Amino acid sequence: GAVVSQHPSWVICKSGTSVKIECRSLDFQATTMFWYRQFPKQSLMLMATSNEGSKATYEQGVEKDKFLINHASLTLSTLTVTSAHPEDSSFYICSARPWETGGYEQYFGPGTRLTVT
Amino acid sequence: GQNIDQPTEMTATEGAIVQINCTYQTSGFNGLFWYQQHAGEAPTFLSYNVLDGLEEKGRFSSFLSRSKGYSYLLLKELQMKDSASYLCAPRGQGNLIFGKGTKLSVKP
Repeated sequence: GAVVSQHPSWVICKSGTSVKIECRSLDFQATTMFWYRQFPKQSLMLMATSNEGSKATYEQGVEKDKFLINHASLTLSTLTVTSAHPEDSSFYICSARPWETGGYEQYFGPGTRLTVT
Repeated sequence: GQNIDQPTEMTATEGAIVQINCTYQTSGFNGLFWYQQHAGEAPTFLSYNVLDGLEEKGRFSSFLSRSKGYSYLLLKELQMKDSASYLCAPRGQGNLIFGKGTKLSVKP
């Protein structure tokens, strides 16, 4: 149980275009989903926390108009990187906190590798 | 402030035991997680400690001392597939905070 999927696994896009990444909890409902970014050999950096039906909470330094997060249901959150630039190339990972367990554990998706050319 | 300190790299031999230490400072404390991350993959959950003491889970055990701001992950009977980064992640008043991780290399 507690499987989180992400789509796509990897994506290459041109500078200036937008990319949408989906995060789904497959066998549980997630009140809260998290979006992380990880650059090579760096730690996971939390970008934002999204709660179903409400606006996402962004970490300091993360542009909310550039990284649009939508958490429309208890099993789906999306991250849209708008007007992507080469410096946005990174490994984007989502995680979900199960509603049923009271929310201590987080389960990670497999990640999406974004390359902006 | 918030800070996590783990060794950057460790090397151990197949079949051996290795202990990965983590010291942390957080605003508030609501448990500490250990995750395993293989290169190019997302982290996978290993353990969770919220009270002082040792939690054993098969070949992996995790220890916590809240008063010392200290935790360790103990890996027994090391296997080659255990070569990965191990992330210590305390949870303060807010969300999880991840350290840079300890890259463990297991050699034959």
